[in-house]
Amino acid sequence: KAGVTQTPRYLIKTRGQQVTLSCSPISGHRSVSWYQQTPGQGLQFLFEYFSETQRNKGNFPGRFSGRQFSNSRSEMNVSTLELGDSALYLCASSFDRINYGYTFGSGTRLTVV
Amino acid sequence: KQEVTQIPAALSVPEGENLVLNCSFTDSAIYNLQWFRQDPGKGLTSLLLIQSSQREQTSGRLNASLDKSSGRSTLYIAASQPGDSATYLCAVRRRRDDKIIFGKGTRLHILP
Repeated sequence: KAGVTQTPRYLIKTRGQQVTLSCSPISGHRSVSWYQQTPGQGLQFLFEYFSETQRNKGNFPGRFSGRQFSNSRSEMNVSTLELGDSALYLCASSFDRINYGYTFGSGTRLTVV
Repeated sequence: KQEVTQIPAALSVPEGENLVLNCSFTDSAIYNLQWFRQDPGKGLTSLLLIQSSQREQTSGRLNASLDKSSGRSTLYIAASQPGDSATYLCAVRRRRDDKIIFGKGTRLHILP
């Protein structure tokens, strides 16, 4: 059974550019959530999607957005990149959000220069 | 405001010892609590999920307990091995806004 797949694994972007990260959840999982991990702040919740609808959102600026497709795959977009956006971005999927735990992907390491 | 605290931030123990990692949370109104491990530069691996109605969960050498009234969870690792070296994180899903909040983790080093 394939796990959660995140692409790309590594990314280098310049300040001001935009970036799109992709997450393919485990087959059958309908919930996808995104997190930003930095050494200083730890893991911070970005947003969560369930059946193509955003169910929850963390305290990040509007430059961070996401969406979920009908096949449950999800994308996260960051516009007008800042140096502080450099982080490991993790995606997790779950069957139903509450009664089942989350399975994480290996993450996308984004470096903004 | 829901805070999740993990103490200590780092821990080193000799191989073979049993150990306990702690997780405390301020708001007891949670759906569940999950323990993860993270190896350097990698994603998180789920270890145990405890629903709010449960007291503990076991998987192999791992046992996690949950005491909602005191806002505490512990992860017990029996007969520790060098391969257990990693950062261990706990996360709660709180009821009032359905958000998942992570602790900052305990970095565990098992000495061969």
